Amino acid sequence: AQKVTQAQTEISVVEKEDVTLDCVYETRDTTYYLFWYKQPPSGELVFLIRRNSFDEQNEISGRYSWNFQKSTSSFNFTITASQVVDSAVYFCALILNQGGKLIFGQGTELSVKP
Amino acid sequence: ETGVTQSPTHLIKTRGQQVTLRCSSQSGHNTVSWYQQALGQGPQFIFQYYREEENGRGNFPPRFSGLQFPNYSSELNVNALELDDSALYLCASSLAIGSGKVNEQFFGPGTRLTVL
Repeated sequence: AQKVTQAQTEISVVEKEDVTLDCVYETRDTTYYLFWYKQPPSGELVFLIRRNSFDEQNEISGRYSWNFQKSTSSFNFTITASQVVDSAVYFCALILNQGGKLIFGQGTELSVKP
Repeated sequence: ETGVTQSPTHLIKTRGQQVTLRCSSQSGHNTVSWYQQALGQGPQFIFQYYREEENGRGNFPPRFSGLQFPNYSSELNVNALELDDSALYLCASSLAIGSGKVNEQFFGPGTRLTVL
């Protein structure tokens, strides 16, 4: 069975702190894709990043960075110098094959206080 | 480029009623997926449509049904509503299967359904 676990239910930080959101996944498939989505209070899921199982290079996009480690089945997300606008629920998700369903974790609610 | 749109934004129904939710996919996308997100939970996959046919289904009863139209827009129908059907229903469109592009699913703003 496939599963995505986000063990951190809620995280609260003060603006400008760095914060890492953890994601651990389970699958026996060798080809899969991992995603991160942001869900602000408005409810719409905003796509942040996609990673395939054959590309373990870490990625940086502005203040966002992602650390993919197949050895530990983890795909963690770090926000550097957090801002109040980063406050949202963040979801990690897994797709096993092209065109398939997204399997979401429970989400981590991030609160960035001024 | 037009994003994914959903209607209505909010809906209140009573137990036993039927509801239809609508989704217009992003321009150029041929696949629509529907998800149910209960309060405080991650979205759960209901089903996916590709070229007007169901292309995978999650663990939802048959009273959850759907359609995809030639313009790739889609409907989600729920019959005999139950209190537990109260949730945010999200539609996502993607370009998939043979397109050569891995399927980022782009989500609409959702329909908030309340069943009383």
